[in-house]
Amino acid sequence: DAMVIQNPRYQVTQFGKPVTLSCSQTLNHNVMYWYQQKSSQAPKLLFHYYDKDFNNEADTPDNFQSRRPNTSFCFLDIRSPGLGDAAMYLCATSRDLDSLEQYFGPGTRLTVT
Amino acid sequence: AQKVTQAQTEISVVEKEDVTLDCVYETRDTTYYLFWYKQPPSGELVFLIRRNSFDEQNEISGRYSWNFQKSTSSFNFTITASQVVDSAVYFCALSGASGGSYIPTFGRGTSLIVHP
Repeated sequence: DAMVIQNPRYQVTQFGKPVTLSCSQTLNHNVMYWYQQKSSQAPKLLFHYYDKDFNNEADTPDNFQSRRPNTSFCFLDIRSPGLGDAAMYLCATSRDLDSLEQYFGPGTRLTVT
Repeated sequence: AQKVTQAQTEISVVEKEDVTLDCVYETRDTTYYLFWYKQPPSGELVFLIRRNSFDEQNEISGRYSWNFQKSTSSFNFTITASQVVDSAVYFCALSGASGGSYIPTFGRGTSLIVHP
């Protein structure tokens, strides 16, 4: 049974054209995370939500925004994608902030043309 | 600051060989947690193991084993009798036990290729 679902798995967008990636979870976890993973690199945390509280990493560009309309869904909005934003975007959840296990979705691979 | 180093970028072995993936970490926390994740070509990160800093017992799970050495700040992962399905990128990660340090810091990953 899918627990963390990301749609679409592959997304192509044009330079400067806004794009939204979505993540949903069936675990009823309080925390949802968005990571960016570029080729051959470690996942890099962009931000996370604890319930409705949004926490932005200090070095996350303003071009990246997020919304969490309810417990199950979280969206990543890239307002004006650049070529450097092409990456795999991973969504993850954890029960609480001090939970030591994160559950990852399959990721969305974003291509910017 | 926390740091995880996986010095091996890519390892290539032939099926049935044993292989060890190295992980070295740095942290100022006295209590911390270490993880290994597997990322197959399909993309999702799959949790393999978590150890806390007070438990240095080695662990074995089937063909997988982990060697935690606090004295050398290492948490190495060995796959015995490797199989083609073990081909993936493996990430070591570290998290603290308080405040914002819960969120894991990942190493750059080691790509394991197992040839038939």
